[in-house]
Amino acid sequence: KAGVTQTPRYLIKTRGQQVTLSCSPISGHRSVSWYQQTPGQGLQFLFEYFSETQRNKGNFPGRFSGRQFSNSRSEMNVSTLELGDSALYLCASSWGTLTDTQYFGPGTRLTVL
Amino acid sequence: DQQVKQNSPSLSVQEGRISILNCDYTNSMFDYFLWYKKYPAEGPTFLISISSIKDKNEDGRFTVFLNKSAKHLSLHIVPSQPGDSAVYFCAASARGGATNKLIFGTGTLLAVQP
Repeated sequence: KAGVTQTPRYLIKTRGQQVTLSCSPISGHRSVSWYQQTPGQGLQFLFEYFSETQRNKGNFPGRFSGRQFSNSRSEMNVSTLELGDSALYLCASSWGTLTDTQYFGPGTRLTVL
Repeated sequence: DQQVKQNSPSLSVQEGRISILNCDYTNSMFDYFLWYKKYPAEGPTFLISISSIKDKNEDGRFTVFLNKSAKHLSLHIVPSQPGDSAVYFCAASARGGATNKLIFGTGTLLAVQP
């Protein structure tokens, strides 16, 4: 069974631009969560989508948004990029119940210049 | 406010010996704990988990211990192998609060020396 895939794997943007990252979950999984990993901060939860609805949200500014499509694929958008947005963005998928294990994709490395 | 803390950024262990990775948490609402392993350029891989109703869970060479009164958990790897060299993240969630949001620690880099 194919794992979680994320595209693109690497991205370079400049300050003020916007970016869209994509995540395809494991087949059958309905929940997709997004995390930001930066040095010294570990992984920080951005938001979770389940059945096309945002179910949980972390403490990130409104510049960070997401959506989920009917096939469970998810996109994350960051508008008006700042230097501090440079990070590894990881998505994780699960079946969607509270007891499920989350499986992570390889991440998208975003560099903001 | 770091609710999950891994105070040792790195750990070096000889092959065949025991590796002990530690994790502390502050939120008493956490009722489910997990360990993930991460290699460079890959996403975290699930290793082992434990519910707050247990104090130990074992899976092969990996054992997780939970001390709720101390708000402390640890991951034991016995015997350690060079392939275990990776960053290990401790994570917690408050499933009783109807969320599967994971709160991660900052990770511990384990180096197993041959």
